[in-house]
Amino acid sequence: AQSVTQLDSQVPVFEEAPVELRCNYSSSVSVYLFWYVQYPNQGLQLLLKYLSGSTLVKGINGFEAEFNKSQTSFHLRKPSVHISDTAEYFCAVRVDTGRRALTFGSGTRLQVQP
Amino acid sequence: NAGVTQTPKFQVLKTGQSMTLQCAQDMNHEYMSWYRQDPGMGLRLIHYSVGAGITDQGEVPNGYNVSRSTTEDFPLRLLSAAPSQTSVYFCASRGGPTGNQPQHFGDGTRLSIL
Repeated sequence: AQSVTQLDSQVPVFEEAPVELRCNYSSSVSVYLFWYVQYPNQGLQLLLKYLSGSTLVKGINGFEAEFNKSQTSFHLRKPSVHISDTAEYFCAVRVDTGRRALTFGSGTRLQVQP
Repeated sequence: NAGVTQTPKFQVLKTGQSMTLQCAQDMNHEYMSWYRQDPGMGLRLIHYSVGAGITDQGEVPNGYNVSRSTTEDFPLRLLSAAPSQTSVYFCASRGGPTGNQPQHFGDGTRLSIL
């Protein structure tokens, strides 16, 4: 079975600073990788996804992530954050067998301070 | 665009009561699923369905029932509510049989069991 580890439960950062949210996964088969964002009292919204091809994936709101197969990582980055980026971010993986359901990490709360 | 609609948004129950959380999608998606979100644990899969008439268990199915009589609807039933079922519940859907399709999430139902 696959699993996802988000190493930081909270990441405080000042506005306009760069940020990296870390995600590592384990799986015995190839995976699809996703990052979702959850604003307060809302559902999850897809930020970006890696299916195949280029390992650098660009998403919405200026976010990007890089798939590193050797390190089994899929870290999320943004060069300059805004107050409006304050939210919880979830990394998730899915394999193309069995349930084909998402397995989520425990989430990272990004707190952007003025 | 309605997407995935969950009702109710909030609910308070007493231990032992039963209730049904409603989920409907208007995207003609075959795959639907229910997750619960608890602090520090990300989202965990309760039940899922790959089409009308077909359901299966996820990671944490105990205490919950589902059915899928139509493509659009996927209700989640709590048979006898317990305080451990206090959580935020999310319904999601996606199209296609393969695992590379992104999930679309509802806004969640916040359930408290007293």
